[in-house]
Amino acid sequence: KAGVTQTPRYLIKTRGQQVTLSCSPISGHRSVSWYQQTPGQGLQFLFEYFSETQRNKGNFPGRFSGRQFSNSRSEMNVSTLELGDSALYLCASSPGQGGFTDTQYFGPGTRLTVL
Amino acid sequence: AQSVTQPDIHITVSEGASLELRCNYSYGATPYLFWYVQSPGQGLQLLLKYFSGDTLVQGIKGFEAEFKRSQSSFNLRKPSVHWSDAAEYFCAVGARGTGFQKLVFGTGTRLLVSP
Repeated sequence: KAGVTQTPRYLIKTRGQQVTLSCSPISGHRSVSWYQQTPGQGLQFLFEYFSETQRNKGNFPGRFSGRQFSNSRSEMNVSTLELGDSALYLCASSPGQGGFTDTQYFGPGTRLTVL
Repeated sequence: AQSVTQPDIHITVSEGASLELRCNYSYGATPYLFWYVQSPGQGLQLLLKYFSGDTLVQGIKGFEAEFKRSQSSFNLRKPSVHWSDAAEYFCAVGARGTGFQKLVFGTGTRLLVSP
């Protein structure tokens, strides 16, 4: 099976712009989670979706949003970009209903740079 | 609040030598514990996990970890390190709260393997 794919792999934006990142889970997986990875804050959980519904949400401002489509593909959106949003954004899919007891398979990430 | 501490930022080990990466967690209930590895330019890969039962857990790539409740530790070990093990290693704990569950990651330990 193909792994989790994330597009684009690299992205450069300027402050104030918005960005949309895409994640295609492993075939058959219905749960998708998003994480932000920065040198300063490390890996932080953003949100999790299952069957098009947000199941869990981390402590991020409302500028960060996401959604999941009926084919389980997911997008996350960041509006009004700030310099501190520069990070590697990781997507993970899992075969069950999500939650940390469900093994997560990570994609390679999207590297976002905000100038 | 749930937290994970990885006290070693960098560790250098000679190829063929044994390895132990330290992880301490803070969690009120029975913890769900994980070790992930991240190679350069890659997403995270699950090495092993502990939910309950035998406190010595075997994982992929010859890794094992031991859960010690009395020490709140979940250290990762490998008897003989290979150059391909050079990567960043993350310990994580599954955290639950009102209306959410998520993985809380440590800050990571970068493993360097010398010839």
